[in-house]
Amino acid sequence: QVQLQESGPGLVKPSETLSLTCTVSGGSISGYYWSWIRQPPGKGLESIGFIYYDGSTRYNPSLESRVTISVDTSKNQFSLKLSSVSAADTALYYCVRYGAYGDRHYFDYWGQGTLVTVSS
Amino acid sequence: EIVLTQSPATLSLSPGEGATLSCRASQSVSSYLAWYQQKPGQAPRLLIYDASNRATGIPARFSGSESGTDFTLTISSLEPEDFAVYYCLQRGNWPETFGQGTKLEIK
Repeated sequence: QVQLQESGPGLVKPSETLSLTCTVSGGSISGYYWSWIRQPPGKGLESIGFIYYDGSTRYNPSLESRVTISVDTSKNQFSLKLSSVSAADTALYYCVRYGAYGDRHYFDYWGQGTLVTVSS
Repeated sequence: EIVLTQSPATLSLSPGEGATLSCRASQSVSSYLAWYQQKPGQAPRLLIYDASNRATGIPARFSGSESGTDFTLTISSLEPEDFAVYYCLQRGNWPETFGQGTKLEIK
């Protein structure tokens, strides 16, 4: 059973960079697409972007100027960096795997989520 | 970006009743739409993909359908564990987007 676990600081100061890592266990990171999704408290879900195991990426245009997603296949991990954060970036951050279903890929395995609060 | 509008925002029903949840896309997403169930304190769970295909392990009481840009999730007879928030997700165009959710609550 594939498991994902987010790790990183739970508190980030405004204007600084949010950094999170997702560790994948029970399966290889190779051959799959991996994503970050966030959910502000009491609100809906927003896709941040994704990375393929070969390092190719695609980001949500609304965040693209501030986002970097990277992968380390030797550690079976992928990471998120979000720069110049503000209170609007306070959210529960999930790392997620895309599984192949039909012609497309959909989110199937999720981490438990980690709450990141932006506050001074 | 494609906007998904879910209705109703809240649906109050009793166990044993049927539920119909709607998701309308602002433009075509082909059939690349999924439904997720999220319970408090848990990550979302994939129920339906490509508009009408049940994911592995999902009970047959869950079904999905589409008509143009209108998508429907139907739960034929509600079980107590079905009361949750349901989101639709489109993967027809980038960026992928979610609906705002429908809360299915016990009446």
